[in-house]
Amino acid sequence: IAGITQAPTSQILAAGRRMTLRCTQDMRHNAMYWYRQDLGLGLRLIHYSNTAGTTGKGEVPDGYSVSRANTDDFPLTLASAVPSQTSVYFCASSAVAGGADTQYFGPGTRLTVL
Amino acid sequence: GQNIDQPTEMTATEGAIVQINCTYQTSGFNGLFWYQQHAGEAPTFLSYNVLDGLEEKGRFSSFLSRSKGYSYLLLKELQMKDSASYLCAVRDNDYKLSFGAGTTVTVRA
Repeated sequence: IAGITQAPTSQILAAGRRMTLRCTQDMRHNAMYWYRQDLGLGLRLIHYSNTAGTTGKGEVPDGYSVSRANTDDFPLTLASAVPSQTSVYFCASSAVAGGADTQYFGPGTRLTVL
Repeated sequence: GQNIDQPTEMTATEGAIVQINCTYQTSGFNGLFWYQQHAGEAPTFLSYNVLDGLEEKGRFSSFLSRSKGYSYLLLKELQMKDSASYLCAVRDNDYKLSFGAGTTVTVRA
């Protein structure tokens, strides 16, 4: 079982370019999340999805969009990348949104926007 | 929103005990989580508290006081492999997690 996979592992991107970060889980989890992690700020929630077909905004959604067409995939798109979006991006999933179920994190994507 | 505070860094000796404190001010509370994150890796789950009291899991224990907005993670019999960042996270009533900035623990021989 792979758990959660993310692609690419790392990417250098020119400002203004469009970029989609991929996230796939094989645990049949209902809820999925996207975070960014910046030094000194910790993990911040960008967007989330409590079940396939629904999405919601987190703490820092501006400049990002998501879709949840099926249970397994939760791509994050940067429509026009800016240098402030340089960060490490983690995708996570949990069986359900509440209860004692913890979130399981993917390995992360390190994105640099120049 | 959530305001979550934890110390930035702590250093301890192999075999010792370290206590990482976390205080929070929240607009809603639906559980507190602790995660471990080694440098360059993803966070991994350590513990979950939703009721007041102590939860023990081997060398790691976590305590919660909801009335005080306070939790701690206790690491006993420290090992070199425990050198990592420890993240305190509070879940709100919409089931979203808010994370503290993390505490970097360095274990010295």
